[in-house]
Amino acid sequence: GAVVSQHPSRVICKSGTSVKIECRSLDFQATTMFWYRQFPKQSLMLMATSNEGSKATYEQGVEKDKFLINHASLTLSTLTVTSAHPEDSSFYICSAPPAGNSYEQYFGPGTRLTVT
Amino acid sequence: GDSVTQMEGPVTLSEEAFLTINCTYTATGYPSLFWYVQYPGEGLQLLLKATKADDKGSNKGFEATYRKETTSFHLEKGSVQVSDSAVYFCALTETARQLTFGSGTQLTVLP
Repeated sequence: GAVVSQHPSRVICKSGTSVKIECRSLDFQATTMFWYRQFPKQSLMLMATSNEGSKATYEQGVEKDKFLINHASLTLSTLTVTSAHPEDSSFYICSAPPAGNSYEQYFGPGTRLTVT
Repeated sequence: GDSVTQMEGPVTLSEEAFLTINCTYTATGYPSLFWYVQYPGEGLQLLLKATKADDKGSNKGFEATYRKETTSFHLEKGSVQVSDSAVYFCALTETARQLTFGSGTQLTVLP
């Protein structure tokens, strides 16, 4: 089956620094990727939709200047958490639907971000 | 808008017990329905899916039937194992892109 990877799997950073999380589709092309945030024992909240070659679409309440998304190629999207604060600590998960497949989505393994 | 309601957990069962996790949905059109499973510290894995009414999705002993008349997609397994302990998410999509998730149900299976 299709594989989506995320890097890093865990990251600890100091307050005020920026952190980049990568999401890669390893064996398929994805014109769209999704970024979710998951708080402990809660469901996934869609943050934004990453579109290859164009600007990301952010969900209501998500600060686009804080969560920078770049979809550089058909296999890579990055999420940069800028000027991170402890409240940004969370589990970030990306997903990608293979191009041409309308209903399947493949999820990355997630990135645990801890801001100290 | 679309929404998914799951039975609240946590659910604790003994090994070989029967499992049901209820899921109902609200959608304006004809969504596709999914169950995802999340093991501790990992991302989500697709467990099963159904794309139209009366379809039955099945995988690894789990089953769920798309019931349009009751807007439900309940997850069932006849005999759970310790290795089934995880969080289960019901989800739907109408846009063929964006998923709407339920709140998740934590399942713990005791030996």
